[in-house]
Amino acid sequence: EPEVTQTPSHQVTQMGQEVILRCVPISNHLYFYWYRQILGQKVEFLVSFYNNEISEKSEIFDDQFSVERPDGSNFTLKIRSTKLEDSAMYFCASSMGPRGFFGSGTQLSVL
Amino acid sequence: AQSVTQPDIHITVSEGASLELRCNYSYGATPYLFWYVQSPGQGLQLLLKYFSGDTLVQGIKGFEAEFKRSQSSFNLRKPSVHWSDAAEYFCAVGAGGGADGLTFGKGTHLIIQP
Repeated sequence: EPEVTQTPSHQVTQMGQEVILRCVPISNHLYFYWYRQILGQKVEFLVSFYNNEISEKSEIFDDQFSVERPDGSNFTLKIRSTKLEDSAMYFCASSMGPRGFFGSGTQLSVL
Repeated sequence: AQSVTQPDIHITVSEGASLELRCNYSYGATPYLFWYVQSPGQGLQLLLKYFSGDTLVQGIKGFEAEFKRSQSSFNLRKPSVHWSDAAEYFCAVGAGGGADGLTFGKGTHLIIQP
């Protein structure tokens, strides 16, 4: 079965630092998404991306966040100045039709 | 606003016994409903989905779910669980297919007793 790949699996950063989370979606997919899961809480939608632009975003996705598809294969989530409350598991997903495929996540710890 | 409630945080089932995980949703239009499973250290794997048509949907790993509009429910069932089914199960609702704008429940942690 095709996979969405996320790197790194764990990332530790200092508060105020910029962090980039990377995802390689499934190669023929056109829709891309980021979700996050704070420990003990629900999986929350952050943003969806299609045709090189954001198609939908949640209230969580403020100006500190940005997404990019820099080279046609990677899909990145950048947090410009991390806060303690950004500590969470971040999931990337991609889809072509009715089924979304999720990656195994990047655990971000902000110290 | 759409929402999903999974009333059971933990469920313990003996291996070989039947399983039902509850999910109730709130959504203004016809919902797209999903069940995902997350094993430790793994991503979210789609078990099954409902968009329209037959209200009883079959998924992978022997799971099925039934959409009941009158009860706003989409409960997940399996007739006989295996130890490998131990995982976190998430119900989700969305406006469309793919993984766009899904609202997830808090999850149900399934424990399998030998």
